[in-house]
Amino acid sequence: NAGVTQTPKFQVLKTGQSMTLQCAQDMNHEYMSWYRQDPGMGLRLIHYSVGAGITDQGEVPNGYNVSRSTTEDFPLRLLSAAPSQTSVYFCASSLTARDTGELFFGEGSRLTVL
Amino acid sequence: EDQVTQSPEALRLQEGESSSLNCSYTVSGLRGLFWYRQDPGKGPEFLFTLYSAGEEKEKERLKATLTKKESFLHITAPKPEDSATYLCAYLTSGTYKYIFGTGTRLKVLA
Repeated sequence: NAGVTQTPKFQVLKTGQSMTLQCAQDMNHEYMSWYRQDPGMGLRLIHYSVGAGITDQGEVPNGYNVSRSTTEDFPLRLLSAAPSQTSVYFCASSLTARDTGELFFGEGSRLTVL
Repeated sequence: EDQVTQSPEALRLQEGESSSLNCSYTVSGLRGLFWYRQDPGKGPEFLFTLYSAGEEKEKERLKATLTKKESFLHITAPKPEDSATYLCAYLTSGTYKYIFGTGTRLKVLA
């Protein structure tokens, strides 16, 4: 099993450009989520999904969109990138949303917005 | 407002020098308190889940404990390979939001 796969690992954008961070898991997990990690701020939840077709906002959702059309994939879209979105982004998944199971994290995507 | 606070921010230990990391929380309706380890450039890796006050879990040199206000991660006789950032997180009843603290950076010197 590959686990949680994030692409790309590194990306540089100009202010105003759009892009999508991809996240795929092959563990048939119901629950998927996106975090951003900034120095001194820890991991902050952006959006999460408890199953295909269901998404909800986390702590810092502004400027980001998500969709969950399949169980496997949970892409994160930046519609108009801003320098404040420079960060390391992590995707995480868990078997179910009902149980307090462990989160499995991807390796991260480092985004720089100029 | 629900929150977790981790202390200290950074900790340097000599190899074999036992210590504890603290995660203080004010959370209504705690469903679970979690500990993760994060190595530089990597995603966090799950260590423990604690559900209720008094519960303890162990794994090698690590032991996690939970009270009604705090969780501790005790590290016994640490080795340099235990150097990492340790994160605590919580989940509250009625939500599916795993909320993380800012972490403790641990450095174990040989």
